[in-house]
Amino acid sequence: GAGVSQSPSNKVTEKGKDVELRCDPISGHTALYWYRQSLGQGLEFLIYFQGNSAPDKSGLPSDRFSAERTGGSVSTLTIQRTQQEDSAVYLCASSSRSRGQPQHFGDGTRLSIL
Amino acid sequence: DQQVKQNSPSLSVQEGRISILNCDYTNSMFDYFLWYKKYPAEGPTFLISISSIKDKNEDGRFTVFLNKSAKHLSLHIVPSQPGDSAVYFCAASDGSSNTGKLIFGQGTTLQVKP
Repeated sequence: GAGVSQSPSNKVTEKGKDVELRCDPISGHTALYWYRQSLGQGLEFLIYFQGNSAPDKSGLPSDRFSAERTGGSVSTLTIQRTQQEDSAVYLCASSSRSRGQPQHFGDGTRLSIL
Repeated sequence: DQQVKQNSPSLSVQEGRISILNCDYTNSMFDYFLWYKKYPAEGPTFLISISSIKDKNEDGRFTVFLNKSAKHLSLHIVPSQPGDSAVYFCAASDGSSNTGKLIFGQGTTLQVKP
């Protein structure tokens, strides 16, 4: 497709379970970002990938969060042993380069932890 | 420490009039600013951006103004249309970082009344 694709669009799981969220960026975009938006809040940066460079993981809130990007394209965000405070919308964005170009977002995954 | 602030949670204007959304920032290293529009259950959609070397950028009905000395930017929508009703986020990128990660404000909900 032409835009950033995320799956699943909704995920409900029990506390303590692991979840995996997927992002398929715009073709040719080398920069990929994950953000999350908690209820009533702005978007919060989580992690950044650029080509084969080491990712910037400075926004990950705990070691339960990890992400990878395979082959410079698809990315997965994994949350282990989910907690209720992990409930949020997780958004992926991609850009043609890291700076000076707008990031284009997917529609996000709404994660609910029971 | 909120580096990007949108102090008005909501704004209501009449169709055909001007909408002015405001955003303040604290980090003098921010050098690239963007506005996004967000509808419920969708990802943010890029509207317009401005580099810190400019003080104005215009695209159709949307104009962004940047006042670096005041660390303030605004988005003007003229004329406002009911379809503009959405949450608007301003975002900024730190020029001292090579990642291009965005720092977002909390958002302003715009309602355009027919």
